[in-house]
Amino acid sequence: GQNIDQPTEMTATEGAIVQINCTYQTSGFNGLFWYQQHAGEAPTFLSYNVLDGLEEKGRFSSFLSRSKGYSYLLLKELQMKDSASYLCAVPGGAAGNKLTFGGGTRVLVKP
Amino acid sequence: GAGVSQSPRYKVAKRGQDVALRCDPISGHVSLFWYQQALGQGPEFLTYFQNEAQLDKSGLPSDRFFAERPEGSVSTLKIQRTQQEDSAVYLCASSLARGDSYEQYFGPGTRLTVT
Repeated sequence: GQNIDQPTEMTATEGAIVQINCTYQTSGFNGLFWYQQHAGEAPTFLSYNVLDGLEEKGRFSSFLSRSKGYSYLLLKELQMKDSASYLCAVPGGAAGNKLTFGGGTRVLVKP
Repeated sequence: GAGVSQSPRYKVAKRGQDVALRCDPISGHVSLFWYQQALGQGPEFLTYFQNEAQLDKSGLPSDRFFAERPEGSVSTLKIQRTQQEDSAVYLCASSLARGDSYEQYFGPGTRLTVT
């Protein structure tokens, strides 16, 4: 089976940096996704990591350590619009790439 | 181009009623997924189609849930004799091909409330 853990909620100040951790236990590993979901809206893709290391994409970066079963999403220069839930997910399944999601981390950015 | 669309966006059903939720995936996307998302939780997998073939329905919670994609494009998720525990947001997602690295594009979801 697959198990994904991430903190429930985090609060940070506008302009600051926040790091959202995700630990996973999977039978086999086929990469890890991060999605952003604003309240009442569709999840939108942020990143996909399959190799160890840090991948930077503008203000957002994602890190993966396969040996530790660990990933984090780093949000820099926080803006109010970054207030959202951030979902960690791993693909896998005998018949396709269905995603197993963590519970999501709700980030609240305060002025 | 157009993204994934779902209808209706909101549905209120009385307990025991049947409901049908529609998903229009991105044109040309082979894979289609349905997920159920309870309030404050991450989405949970329900079922997967590759073209018109339903290859995985392991996440459907009971035999009251049924999904189809008869022509390999539009999909319908049907819930019979709705119960209060069925209240959730139902998300549809599509991806270009089968494969773990392919990004899934999500629709806005249908919020189902069973009273």
